[in-house]
Amino acid sequence: KAGVTQTPRYLIKTRGQQVTLSCSPISGHRSVSWYQQTPGQGLQFLFEYFSETQRNKGNFPGRFSGRQFSNSRSEMNVSTLELGDSALYLCASSALRDTYGYTFGSGTRLTVV
Amino acid sequence: AQKITQTQPGMFVQEKEAVTLDCTYDTSDPSYGLFWYKQPSSGEMIFLIYQGSYDQQNATEGRYSLNFQKARKSANLVISASQLGDSAMYFCAMREINSGGSNYKLTFGKGTLLTVNP
Repeated sequence: KAGVTQTPRYLIKTRGQQVTLSCSPISGHRSVSWYQQTPGQGLQFLFEYFSETQRNKGNFPGRFSGRQFSNSRSEMNVSTLELGDSALYLCASSALRDTYGYTFGSGTRLTVV
Repeated sequence: AQKITQTQPGMFVQEKEAVTLDCTYDTSDPSYGLFWYKQPSSGEMIFLIYQGSYDQQNATEGRYSLNFQKARKSANLVISASQLGDSAMYFCAMREINSGGSNYKLTFGKGTLLTVNP
């Protein structure tokens, strides 16, 4: 079965612009979470959605937002991009409300210039 | 305080030998899960192995085993018979199951870069 699909794979944006990243979870998975990975800060949790509801949010500024659609696909948006937003953004999906199983996508590599 | 500590930024191992990657964790939650992920240069995080805090036996998955020492809060990954394809970053992560809003996130360590030499 298809894995977690993230689009686009690579993105170059200019400082001040906004960007939207997409994540399609494994079919049947209702939980989607997002992580930011940078060389300096490592992997940091952004937010998690289940059945269109945000259940938890990490310590990121309000410029970072997300949503989940009724088909469980999720998008995250970053407004007013800063150079420090350059990172690999990873999406993970899981099947059950309290499962331990997380499957990650290949990520979107965002470069802000 | 760091919740997941991986003290080895880099490790080298000869092909076909075993290697242990260290991970210590910190939590006051009695119910938690520990994960190991592999991240090749392509960027995808590949799940390797899981250990629950109440699991009586150490987890094993093929060539991967987890040396779980609960009292020491240690969850080291052992890779047996290393292969060239094992060269990658390895991350230890924890999910605290009963901590309210922390229930749905993974906390990761900084990772260990493993290089397998031929």
